[in-house]
Amino acid sequence: GQQLNQSPQSMFIQEGEDVSMNCTSSSIFNTWLWYKQDPGEGPVLLIALYKAGELTSNGRLTAQFGITRKDSFLNISASIPSDVGIYFCAGLNAGGTSYGKLTFGQGTILTVHP
Amino acid sequence: GAGVSQSPSNKVTEKGKDVELRCDPISGHTALYWYRQSLGQGLEFLIYFQGNSAPDKSGLPSDRFSAERTGGSVSTLTIQRTQQEDSAVYLCASSLKPGGFGQPQHFGDGTRLSIL
Repeated sequence: GQQLNQSPQSMFIQEGEDVSMNCTSSSIFNTWLWYKQDPGEGPVLLIALYKAGELTSNGRLTAQFGITRKDSFLNISASIPSDVGIYFCAGLNAGGTSYGKLTFGQGTILTVHP
Repeated sequence: GAGVSQSPSNKVTEKGKDVELRCDPISGHTALYWYRQSLGQGLEFLIYFQGNSAPDKSGLPSDRFSAERTGGSVSTLTIQRTQQEDSAVYLCASSLKPGGFGQPQHFGDGTRLSIL
């Protein structure tokens, strides 16, 4: 089946630093999504990317959908303590019986030191 | 409430017992999804509902797992004869329509299942 490799697995940074994480896939997706999960809660959608090459920003977050459709990255600029959490990439192929089925990366655990 | 609601939030049970997990999607959302998250892992797809039917059950790990949805709304995930490897957080998500384009999936906070 489809697999997503997300890296790094964890990051320890100082407040104010920029962060970058990425996902690569063995096969093509036609939608890439980035979610953040806080302890004891469900994932919350941060950014959705629908077109190869698309670069989208949401406040301090920027994400890109790779040209090959097999990768995506997420950047967080000027990190703050509330950025702490687990970040997941997810790929989706909307079609056939797998309509809407998300395939998730393993997650990146982000720790921000004040 | 306005979001996806799951109950119970925590469930501890003995190996071999049956459990039922409930998901109440956002009102009007026709698509409903169940995922499983093991400790320190990403989410693993279990099953997808469109209305009351399940076009994709490919992620259910064994025949001990089943799910149903009634009235196009509430869904129940049932695990029979639970095993210790079933311990995980079970997450439910819903979207207005199936597919990804402009139809993000909204997640509940999950049910943390522990099998003793």
